[in-house]
Amino acid sequence: DAGITQSPRHKVTETGTPVTLRCHQTENHRYMYWYRQDPGHGLRLIHYSYGVKDTDKGEVSDGYSVSRSKTEDFLLTLESATSSQTSVYFCAISAPGPTEAFFGQGTRLTVV
Amino acid sequence: GESVGLHLPTLSVQEGDNSIINCAYSNSASDYFIWYKQESGKGPQFIIDIRSNMDKRQGQRVTVLLNKTVKHLSLQIAATQPGDSAVYFCAETLDNFNKFYFGSGTKLNVKP
Repeated sequence: DAGITQSPRHKVTETGTPVTLRCHQTENHRYMYWYRQDPGHGLRLIHYSYGVKDTDKGEVSDGYSVSRSKTEDFLLTLESATSSQTSVYFCAISAPGPTEAFFGQGTRLTVV
Repeated sequence: GESVGLHLPTLSVQEGDNSIINCAYSNSASDYFIWYKQESGKGPQFIIDIRSNMDKRQGQRVTVLLNKTVKHLSLQIAATQPGDSAVYFCAETLDNFNKFYFGSGTKLNVKP
């Protein structure tokens, strides 16, 4: 999977608790992304990063924040998890484009 | 694996036949397109890409056709094999940040 590690792979959490998902890459790619995947919606972009400390919102960013303090790590935080954030989350990396993005294995998050 | 394809359109083909998967993209300004394959429990995997200045591109057993007039992409898979069974997504982007917008996917079922 192009040197991308997502952790944890599975998590169950309670409504209202904070959750942080981690994406780690070994490819030294400049761009990193967080997507969520839900039935009937394909993948939707939450946030992306175009460099260390440089991030911006995607199409479904409400309720999420991100941080990138190092090239290799991109963190996605749900400050107060809600049931609507139950989803499969994918991290992706890319070189400056246009070029393909490579995806991690995903994190299944369940908010109960 | 994840139940990401609960209500996906499904294409069923016989092993050895050719498959054609279609996608209508949304933004006439998009200038780069990718087809991804996603197997159960895995992240999307790059298959083939095409830029907007082309109308056809061929890979190994796969061909992508782009019709910008009607904003339509198709993926043709020759001599379909059981290993091709997966969900296929088209994705589009219109900037060099590679922020991809995904279609909702088509499930390909190959019958032996």
